[in-house]
Amino acid sequence: EAQVTQNPRYLITVTGKKLTVTCSQNMNHEYMSWYRQDPGLGLRQIYYSMNVEVTDKGDVPEGYKVSRKEKRNFPLILESPSPNQTSLYFCASRKGAKLKETQYFGPGTRLLVL
Amino acid sequence: GQNIDQPTEMTATEGAIVQINCTYQTSGFNGLFWYQQHAGEAPTFLSYNVLDGLEEKGRFSSFLSRSKGYSYLLLKELQMKDSASYLCAVRDSNDYKLSFGAGTTVTVRA
Repeated sequence: EAQVTQNPRYLITVTGKKLTVTCSQNMNHEYMSWYRQDPGLGLRQIYYSMNVEVTDKGDVPEGYKVSRKEKRNFPLILESPSPNQTSLYFCASRKGAKLKETQYFGPGTRLLVL
Repeated sequence: GQNIDQPTEMTATEGAIVQINCTYQTSGFNGLFWYQQHAGEAPTFLSYNVLDGLEEKGRFSSFLSRSKGYSYLLLKELQMKDSASYLCAVRDSNDYKLSFGAGTTVTVRA
């Protein structure tokens, strides 16, 4: 089954404790992206990757890191989480940059930073 | 960058029609998407417009006017399961960035 998976789905942590949210897709997609979703603000892009070893900042990259060592994986790293990073996070992937290709979203990771 | 506006909430009756408007101001345009998102779930793709006009897909239709920076999503024959948030998203001309509006929450009443 074609899908984007994220782990963990739910996470409660404390300020300053490094964490990683994994994202994996099995569709051989080139493009992957991370979003956070907050009430009233909608989905905001954190980072995106156009292919292996190619990443770039989205609209809200501060406090986050990413890496793309393999095509299928795109982990999101919070080196020192803070309460303002409490949010719902979605990973998404897309085959490429062609016009009509839509993004496929993972199920989401709900993060609470105390 | 993109500035995307859509109403926060709409309420309609089962069987009725609802139109969700989306206006955008963009530095570059390369397509507009509509997504549906049920509470606590991931967004799912509904429609895509890159040329002016209407795209119809079953009970859902989407319209685009690039000169006006305007789109709408039309939901016909509303069903209770259509209660969800509807997200308008614009892709800019570098093809990789997708910017989302805050979403419109549609509530369908019996």
